[in-house]
Amino acid sequence: EDQVTQSPEALRLQEGESSSLNCSYTVSGLRGLFWYRQDPGKGPEFLFTLYSAGEEKEKERLKATLTKKESFLHITAPKPEDSATYLCALQGGSEKLVFGKGTKLTVNP
Amino acid sequence: GAVVSQHPSRVICKSGTSVKIECRSLDFQATTMFWYRQFPKQSLMLMATSNEGSKATYEQGVEKDKFLINHASLTLSTLTVTSAHPEDSSFYICSAPRGYTEAFFGQGTRLTVV
Repeated sequence: EDQVTQSPEALRLQEGESSSLNCSYTVSGLRGLFWYRQDPGKGPEFLFTLYSAGEEKEKERLKATLTKKESFLHITAPKPEDSATYLCALQGGSEKLVFGKGTKLTVNP
Repeated sequence: GAVVSQHPSRVICKSGTSVKIECRSLDFQATTMFWYRQFPKQSLMLMATSNEGSKATYEQGVEKDKFLINHASLTLSTLTVTSAHPEDSSFYICSAPRGYTEAFFGQGTRLTVV
């Protein structure tokens, strides 16, 4: 069974304090590893898709990396507007996405 | 801008009535769309896969007679919550994959059954 575990559940950072979020996974045949940002009361906003170990993608202050067992979302010099819940999702043998529980990030000014 | 549009964003209905939620892909065709349910502080749980031109595929434990799905065209899927009860109150979200590389979500619908 495909599984996704995200850690930590919650993370508080000061503005400018870089950190990383973790997404560990088990899958039989990875089609894609997705990262989303979700604000309260909103649908998830697509950030990245990673396909193979060693792949990296960047967008502004965010960089996602992938290994055979986990993915990291690195946040460099975060700002308060980066506060949100970040979701990791796995796509295995079908188009279905299996989601982790998310990491709630709070960036204090 | 949004590539998947979902509405309404909020709806309050009386117990026993039905509610329809629409999900549209705006600039691409989606032969498959997905419907999720999200409880507070929980992750997204897949309810069903909506297939254009054929019956929806429901996940285990999801009542197909209660959650009716119609994929009327390549850009529109609807979820109807029939005979709604307070326990159906939740946040419902649709998603549509675009190609093999992206999957976009609607804005979500907050359903409250009173």
